[in-house]
Amino acid sequence: RKEVEQDPGPFNVPEGATVAFNCTYSNSASQSFFWYRQDCRKEPKLLMSVYSSGNEDGRFTAQLNRASQYISLLIRDSKLSDSATYLCVVNMGDSGGGADGLTFGKGTHLIIQP
Amino acid sequence: GAVVSQHPSRVICKSGTSVKIECRSLDFQATTMFWYRQFPKQSLMLMATSNEGSKATYEQGVEKDKFLINHASLTLSTLTVTSAHPEDSSFYICSAELPGQATDTQYFGPGTRLTVL
Repeated sequence: RKEVEQDPGPFNVPEGATVAFNCTYSNSASQSFFWYRQDCRKEPKLLMSVYSSGNEDGRFTAQLNRASQYISLLIRDSKLSDSATYLCVVNMGDSGGGADGLTFGKGTHLIIQP
Repeated sequence: GAVVSQHPSRVICKSGTSVKIECRSLDFQATTMFWYRQFPKQSLMLMATSNEGSKATYEQGVEKDKFLINHASLTLSTLTVTSAHPEDSSFYICSAELPGQATDTQYFGPGTRLTVL
Protein backbone atom coordinates (compact mmCIF):
# COMPACT_ATOMS: atom_id res chain seq x y z
CA ARG A 1 0.00 0.00 0.00
CA LYS A 2 1.31 3.46 -0.89
CA GLU A 3 2.35 5.48 2.15
CA VAL A 4 0.81 8.78 1.11
CA GLU A 5 -1.93 8.65 -1.45
CA GLN A 6 -3.57 11.48 -3.39
CA ASP A 7 -5.88 11.81 -6.36
CA PRO A 8 -3.54 13.04 -9.11
CA GLY A 9 -6.26 15.00 -10.91
CA PRO A 10 -6.05 17.24 -12.83
CA PHE A 11 -8.81 19.26 -11.23
CA ASN A 12 -10.11 21.87 -13.65
CA VAL A 13 -11.92 24.53 -11.65
CA PRO A 14 -13.36 27.91 -12.67
CA GLU A 15 -11.90 30.98 -11.05
CA GLY A 16 -13.71 31.87 -7.84
CA ALA A 17 -14.85 28.33 -7.10
CA THR A 18 -14.05 26.31 -4.00
CA VAL A 19 -11.96 23.18 -4.43
CA ALA A 20 -10.99 20.46 -1.97
CA PHE A 21 -8.19 17.89 -2.07
CA ASN A 22 -7.88 14.79 0.02
CA CYS A 23 -4.95 12.68 1.07
CA THR A 24 -4.66 9.43 3.00
CA TYR A 25 -1.61 8.08 4.79
CA SER A 26 -0.82 4.54 5.80
CA ASN A 27 1.31 4.95 8.92
CA SER A 28 -0.82 5.54 12.00
CA ALA A 29 2.28 6.63 13.92
CA SER A 30 2.79 9.61 11.61
CA GLN A 31 3.57 12.67 13.61
CA SER A 32 2.98 15.75 11.53
CA PHE A 33 1.39 16.75 8.28
CA PHE A 34 1.84 19.39 5.67
CA TRP A 35 0.60 20.65 2.35
CA TYR A 36 3.24 21.76 -0.14
CA ARG A 37 2.67 23.64 -3.35
CA GLN A 38 4.79 22.95 -6.41
CA ASP A 39 4.85 25.16 -9.47
CA CYS A 40 5.93 23.80 -12.82
CA ARG A 41 9.52 22.53 -12.71
CA LYS A 42 10.22 24.21 -9.39
CA GLU A 43 10.88 22.67 -6.01
CA PRO A 44 7.91 22.15 -3.73
CA LYS A 45 7.35 24.90 -1.18
CA LEU A 46 5.56 24.61 2.12
CA LEU A 47 2.01 25.93 1.89
CA MET A 48 0.83 25.16 5.39
CA SER A 49 1.10 22.71 8.24
CA VAL A 50 -1.92 20.68 9.22
CA TYR A 51 -2.95 20.64 12.87
CA SER A 52 -5.28 18.23 14.62
CA SER A 53 -7.79 20.95 15.37
CA GLY A 54 -7.79 22.15 11.78
CA ASN A 55 -6.27 25.41 10.71
CA GLU A 56 -6.92 28.21 8.30
CA ASP A 57 -4.62 30.58 6.46
CA GLY A 58 -6.52 33.09 4.39
CA ARG A 59 -8.39 31.22 1.68
CA PHE A 60 -6.79 27.91 2.64
CA THR A 61 -8.15 25.52 5.25
CA ALA A 62 -6.45 22.28 6.25
CA GLN A 63 -7.96 19.50 8.30
CA LEU A 64 -6.68 16.28 9.80
CA ASN A 65 -8.60 13.18 10.80
CA ARG A 66 -6.23 10.89 12.66
CA ALA A 67 -8.80 8.16 13.14
CA SER A 68 -9.33 7.86 9.40
CA GLN A 69 -5.72 8.81 8.55
CA TYR A 70 -7.00 11.46 6.24
CA ILE A 71 -5.92 15.02 5.48
CA SER A 72 -7.73 17.64 3.45
CA LEU A 73 -7.04 21.02 1.90
CA LEU A 74 -9.80 23.44 0.97
CA ILE A 75 -9.21 26.46 -1.24
CA ARG A 76 -11.94 29.09 -1.32
CA ASP A 77 -12.41 31.80 -3.93
CA SER A 78 -9.76 30.22 -6.14
CA LYS A 79 -7.43 32.46 -8.13
CA LEU A 80 -5.63 31.84 -11.39
CA SER A 81 -2.39 31.94 -9.41
CA ASP A 82 -3.53 28.93 -7.38
CA SER A 83 -2.85 26.72 -10.40
CA ALA A 84 -0.13 24.34 -9.26
CA THR A 85 0.47 20.86 -7.92
CA TYR A 86 -0.42 20.35 -4.27
CA LEU A 87 1.62 17.74 -2.43
CA CYS A 88 0.46 16.02 0.72
CA VAL A 89 3.45 15.45 2.97
CA VAL A 90 3.59 13.33 6.10
CA ASN A 91 6.28 13.09 8.75
CA MET A 92 6.55 9.44 9.64
CA GLY A 93 9.36 10.03 12.11
CA ASP A 94 12.10 7.46 12.40
CA SER A 95 10.15 4.89 10.42
CA GLY A 96 11.18 6.34 7.12
CA GLY A 97 11.05 9.27 4.77
CA GLY A 98 13.49 12.10 4.32
CA ALA A 99 15.81 14.04 6.53
CA ASP A 100 12.91 14.87 8.82
CA GLY A 101 11.00 11.69 8.04
CA LEU A 102 9.01 13.51 5.37
CA THR A 103 7.25 11.36 2.82
CA PHE A 104 5.79 13.13 -0.18
CA GLY A 105 2.62 12.14 -1.97
CA LYS A 106 2.54 12.27 -5.74
CA GLY A 107 0.54 15.46 -5.75
CA THR A 108 -2.77 16.70 -7.06
CA HIS A 109 -2.68 18.98 -10.05
CA LEU A 110 -5.00 21.99 -9.97
CA ILE A 111 -5.85 24.15 -12.96
CA ILE A 112 -7.86 27.31 -12.34
CA GLN A 113 -9.62 28.44 -15.47
CA PRO A 114 -10.61 32.04 -16.19
CA GLY B 1 1.43 3.78 -12.72
CA ALA B 2 4.15 6.46 -12.81
CA VAL B 3 6.40 4.85 -10.20
CA VAL B 4 9.86 6.22 -9.49
CA SER B 5 12.37 4.25 -7.48
CA GLN B 6 15.67 5.19 -5.91
CA HIS B 7 18.57 3.07 -4.81
CA PRO B 8 19.95 2.88 -2.23
CA SER B 9 17.43 4.16 0.29
CA ARG B 10 20.12 4.77 2.87
CA VAL B 11 23.88 4.93 2.64
CA ILE B 12 26.60 5.59 5.16
CA CYS B 13 30.09 6.25 3.88
CA LYS B 14 33.44 7.55 4.98
CA SER B 15 34.60 11.03 4.16
CA GLY B 16 36.39 11.19 0.83
CA THR B 17 34.54 8.36 -0.84
CA SER B 18 32.12 8.69 -3.75
CA VAL B 19 28.53 7.60 -3.62
CA LYS B 20 26.25 6.84 -6.54
CA ILE B 21 22.48 7.18 -6.26
CA GLU B 22 20.19 5.77 -8.91
CA CYS B 23 16.79 7.09 -9.91
CA ARG B 24 14.60 4.94 -12.12
CA SER B 25 11.22 5.47 -13.71
CA LEU B 26 9.75 1.98 -13.52
CA ASP B 27 6.78 2.11 -15.85
CA PHE B 28 7.36 5.10 -18.06
CA GLN B 29 10.12 6.78 -19.97
CA ALA B 30 11.30 10.10 -18.63
CA THR B 31 13.30 12.45 -20.79
CA THR B 32 13.63 14.79 -17.85
CA MET B 33 14.46 13.96 -14.26
CA PHE B 34 15.19 16.28 -11.35
CA TRP B 35 17.48 15.97 -8.36
CA TYR B 36 16.65 17.64 -5.05
CA ARG B 37 18.40 17.87 -1.72
CA GLN B 38 16.78 18.38 1.65
CA PHE B 39 18.69 19.35 4.76
CA PRO B 40 17.05 18.92 8.18
CA LYS B 41 14.36 21.44 8.95
CA GLN B 42 14.49 22.78 5.40
CA SER B 43 12.40 22.27 2.32
CA LEU B 44 13.53 20.49 -0.80
CA MET B 45 16.05 22.40 -2.89
CA LEU B 46 16.37 21.74 -6.59
CA MET B 47 19.95 20.79 -7.43
CA ALA B 48 19.80 20.04 -11.12
CA THR B 49 17.65 19.09 -14.06
CA SER B 50 18.76 15.96 -15.84
CA ASN B 51 17.98 15.56 -19.52
CA GLU B 52 18.42 12.25 -21.31
CA GLY B 53 21.30 12.33 -23.71
CA SER B 54 22.55 15.78 -22.79
CA LYS B 55 24.30 17.57 -19.97
CA ALA B 56 22.45 18.33 -16.79
CA THR B 57 21.47 21.87 -15.90
CA TYR B 58 22.65 22.82 -12.44
CA GLU B 59 21.08 25.36 -10.13
CA GLN B 60 23.16 28.24 -8.87
CA GLY B 61 25.48 27.23 -6.07
CA VAL B 62 25.53 23.52 -6.93
CA GLU B 63 28.98 22.28 -7.94
CA LYS B 64 28.66 20.26 -11.10
CA ASP B 65 32.07 18.65 -10.62
CA LYS B 66 31.07 17.43 -7.19
CA PHE B 67 27.58 16.23 -8.05
CA LEU B 68 27.91 14.29 -11.26
CA ILE B 69 24.68 13.53 -13.06
CA ASN B 70 24.30 11.01 -15.82
CA HIS B 71 21.03 10.41 -17.65
CA ALA B 72 22.08 7.77 -20.12
CA SER B 73 18.71 6.18 -20.71
CA LEU B 74 15.06 7.17 -20.63
CA THR B 75 14.49 5.30 -17.39
CA LEU B 76 17.65 5.93 -15.40
CA SER B 77 19.43 8.96 -14.00
CA THR B 78 22.33 8.71 -11.58
CA LEU B 79 23.73 11.23 -9.14
CA THR B 80 27.28 10.66 -7.93
CA VAL B 81 28.46 12.60 -4.92
CA THR B 82 32.22 12.70 -5.40
CA SER B 83 34.64 12.95 -2.49
CA ALA B 84 31.77 13.19 -0.05
CA HIS B 85 32.21 15.14 3.16
CA PRO B 86 30.05 15.34 6.29
CA GLU B 87 28.40 18.53 5.05
CA ASP B 88 27.05 16.52 2.10
CA SER B 89 24.99 14.44 4.49
CA SER B 90 21.45 15.05 3.41
CA PHE B 91 18.35 13.53 1.92
CA TYR B 92 18.53 13.29 -1.85
CA ILE B 93 15.30 12.83 -3.77
CA CYS B 94 14.71 12.56 -7.46
CA SER B 95 11.64 13.06 -9.55
CA ALA B 96 10.79 12.15 -13.11
CA GLU B 97 8.60 14.07 -15.48
CA LEU B 98 5.83 12.08 -17.12
CA PRO B 99 5.76 13.09 -20.77
CA GLY B 100 2.78 13.41 -23.03
CA GLN B 101 0.56 15.15 -20.51
CA ALA B 102 -1.01 18.57 -20.81
CA THR B 103 0.76 19.54 -17.62
CA ASP B 104 4.32 18.93 -16.45
CA THR B 105 3.82 16.43 -13.67
CA GLN B 106 6.70 15.22 -11.60
CA TYR B 107 6.64 11.94 -9.75
CA PHE B 108 8.92 11.71 -6.76
CA GLY B 109 11.11 8.83 -5.74
CA PRO B 110 11.28 7.71 -2.11
CA GLY B 111 14.61 9.42 -1.55
CA THR B 112 18.08 8.42 -0.40
CA ARG B 113 19.43 9.34 3.00
CA LEU B 114 23.16 9.93 2.82
CA THR B 115 25.28 10.06 5.94
CA VAL B 116 28.97 10.89 5.56
CA LEU B 117 31.11 10.09 8.58
